[in-house]
Formats: sequence, C-alpha cells, structure tokens
Amino acid sequence: KAGVTQTPRYLIKTRGQQVTLSCSPISGHRSVSWYQQTPGQGLQFLFEYFSETQRNKGNFPGRFSGRQFSNSRSEMNVSTLELGDSALYLCASSRDYSYEQYFGPGTRLTVT
Amino acid sequence: GENVEQHPSTLSVQEGDSAVIKCTYSDSASNYFPWYKQELGKRPQLIIDIRSNVGEKKDQRIAVTLNKTAKHFSLHITETQPEDSAVYFCAASNPDYKLSFGAGTTVTVRA
Repeated sequence: KAGVTQTPRYLIKTRGQQVTLSCSPISGHRSVSWYQQTPGQGLQFLFEYFSETQRNKGNFPGRFSGRQFSNSRSEMNVSTLELGDSALYLCASSRDYSYEQYFGPGTRLTVT
Repeated sequence: GENVEQHPSTLSVQEGDSAVIKCTYSDSASNYFPWYKQELGKRPQLIIDIRSNVGEKKDQRIAVTLNKTAKHFSLHITETQPEDSAVYFCAASNPDYKLSFGAGTTVTVRA
C-alpha cells in the first residue's frame, strides 16, 4: 500500500496571503489528523477529520481550517498568514477505530 | 485538555548503553500511548505503543512501561546503536482518538 502523501512538499508565502495544503491518506483510512511542528514545540494538534466530519479540534485560531472529501483526502487552509505560521505541517491517517497514526512526509511552509 | 510532558529534552549516551525517556500525562481517560521516532528530515515513525490495560511491552531492543496510577510511561532502549540517534516523541490518546504529543527528546548515540 502506498503511504500517506502530502502536496506540496515545500511552499513559500508572503505574510497576509492564504495557503492550502493537501493530504492523501493510506487507502482505506478514513481518519486524517493535522499537526504543526516547529522547533522546540513538538507536534501541535490542529484537527482531525473522520468520514468528512471534523471529529476533534486543537487550540489554533480560526485562520486554520480544514475539510475532508468523500475519498478521504483532506485539505487544510491557513488564511492571513503570519510569520509565526512558518512550520512543518504533517498529516497522519489511521484506520477506523484504530489509534495507530501513520504520518506523511509533511509540507514545509515558510512565511516571509 | 490532555497535557503530555516529556523528559529529558536531550540525551547523549555511549554506544551500547541504555537510554530512558520519561513522559507524564494529565488526562486519566487517556488509553493509548505511542512512541514515535523522527530522524532528521523524515516523517515520524511509530516504533512501539502500549494500551492502558497493559503494563509493559517489549520489541527487541525497545520497551515501554506504563504506570496508570502515577500517569507516567517510559521508553527504554537497550544496547544503543548509532542508528538510534533521532528525536523521540511520546504521545497520549483519549478515547476519542485525539493524540497529544510531548515536546520530544533528541537522542545522540556516541560511537
């Protein structure tokens, strides 16, 4: 089975712009979680989607949003980018009723 | 919400020695505790996990222990090798599948 994929892998944006990141889960996985990883901060949970519904949400501002499509692919959007949004954004997928999460390679976002 | 604390933040060991990383969690409802290894420039990889109804689990040179009463769990790596050098993250999941991570431990194995 192919692993979790994320596009694009690298992105450079200017402060104030918006960005959309994409995540394709492992085939058959319906849960997709998103994390922000910054040096020294570990992985901060953004949100989780299951069967097109947001099931869990972290403590990020409303500028961060997401959605999931019927094929389980997920997108996350960040509006009005700030310098502090520069980070590695990771998504992870899991099977129904499983706690095991498998990560994608991440999208490196740089905001200038 | 869940708060996971991880110690130490950095760990340097001599090749062949053991490494121990400790984590505590706050939510008594948490029932799943995975450990991830992240090598430089790569994605986190699940290396071992433990569920709340188990006290200890071992897989070759790595083992994890869980003390539910004290709300802490630990990763033990024996006979460390250079390829064990990486950042290790502990995490705790509540029954609703929300995973909270510790801040990570950078392990360096000295040859």
